[in-house]
Formats: sequence, structure tokens, C-alpha cells
Amino acid sequence: AQTIHQWPVAEIKAVGSPLSLGCTIKGKSSPNLYWYWQATGGTLQQLFYSITVGQVESVVQLNLSASRPKDDQFILSTEKLLLSHSGFYLCAWGQLSNERLFFGHGTKLSVL
Amino acid sequence: GDQVEQSPSALSLHEGTGSALRCNFTTTMRAVQWFQQNSRGSLINLFYLASGTKENGRLKSTFNSKESYSTLHIRDAQLEDSGTYFCAAEAADSNYQLIWGSGTKLIIKP
Repeated sequence: AQTIHQWPVAEIKAVGSPLSLGCTIKGKSSPNLYWYWQATGGTLQQLFYSITVGQVESVVQLNLSASRPKDDQFILSTEKLLLSHSGFYLCAWGQLSNERLFFGHGTKLSVL
Repeated sequence: GDQVEQSPSALSLHEGTGSALRCNFTTTMRAVQWFQQNSRGSLINLFYLASGTKENGRLKSTFNSKESYSTLHIRDAQLEDSGTYFCAAEAADSNYQLIWGSGTKLIIKP
């Protein structure tokens, strides 16, 4: 069975500090991977997607970057956090022939 | 403008009753998914439809691409059905991106 793990579960960070969030998929080879952001009480906004190692496509510009260093790993990062980065970050995976998305449990980020 | 219009934005049901959520699309969509987000924030994939109707327990979903809408029916609602429900659709001219509805906050009362 496939499992998706996100870390950390929650972070409290200062404005201007760096950030790195991680996502690992187990039990599925060559998945399509996605990063989403959700404001409190809001809908989901897709940030990035990756269909293969080393390739990441940006959907919206939020002063964030993403990387896929391994087939099963997706990293979201920034060197300088803004207050507007606060929210809930979700990683998801899907397969090309059936793009049903499955999500991790998310990371709650508070920027102070 | 918004390509996915989800309604209602909030809904309160008593246990044992039912209702329907709806998403209307302003552009051609080739598939739709429905998710439930629970109180911990986890998103559960309920349905993926490229057409037609699917049923799973007390939930049933329909996607009509020609008439540009999708519905999620809940019957015999239970307390654990509480949460926020989202539809998310794939535009016909877009790959690897979903367009999300604004969500329906569902509260089930004893």
C-alpha cells in the first residue's frame, strides 16, 4: 500500500527565516507529486507539480521553490519567509493513467 | 472569473438526513474529484469521475461534463461526515492542474 509522509507536522517560524518542508511517498514508483497551500478556512491553491526526478513546474509565484531530489521525495522551501506564507501545506501524489490525488496529512505553518 | 462554483458554502444536517452538494463549471472539464477535509486537516479522496455516477456507501457522485456540473449526494448522514467538502476539476486544456471549488462546510447535528 502507498503511504505519504509529510514533515514537520507543524512549524512556528519568524519572518525572514528559511523554511524547508518535506514529503515522501512510499510504495509507488514514478508518482506525479504536488504541493498545495491552504489559507485558514480557504480553498486549496496548487503551488508546484513534478512528474519526474529533477523537474518541477511552478503554478503560482509565492516566493517559494520546490525540488524533487529523488523519485519518492518532494521538498518545498524558501530562504526568507513572509507573513503571507502562513497556512497549511499539503503534499499529494497521483498516477498519470488515473489522476486521482491522495494527500499527506499536511504541515501547519505559522509565520510570526 | 471563477471556473468552479461550489454550493452551498455551508450546510447543517441532522443525523439520518441527507442532502446534495453541487459544483458548476464555467469551462469544459474532463474529470472531477470530491474530497472531504476532516477537523485535523486531512483530505480524503471520495470520488474520481470522468463521467457518469459512482456510489460508495452513503455517498453518491455524478459528473455531467456536457451540462458542466457535478454533484455529491449524502444520505443517512452520520456525525463523522462533518467536515469541509471540496470538488476539484481538471480542465480539458490543462495537465497536472486542478481547479478547486471554495468548499462546503458540513455540520452534522445529533
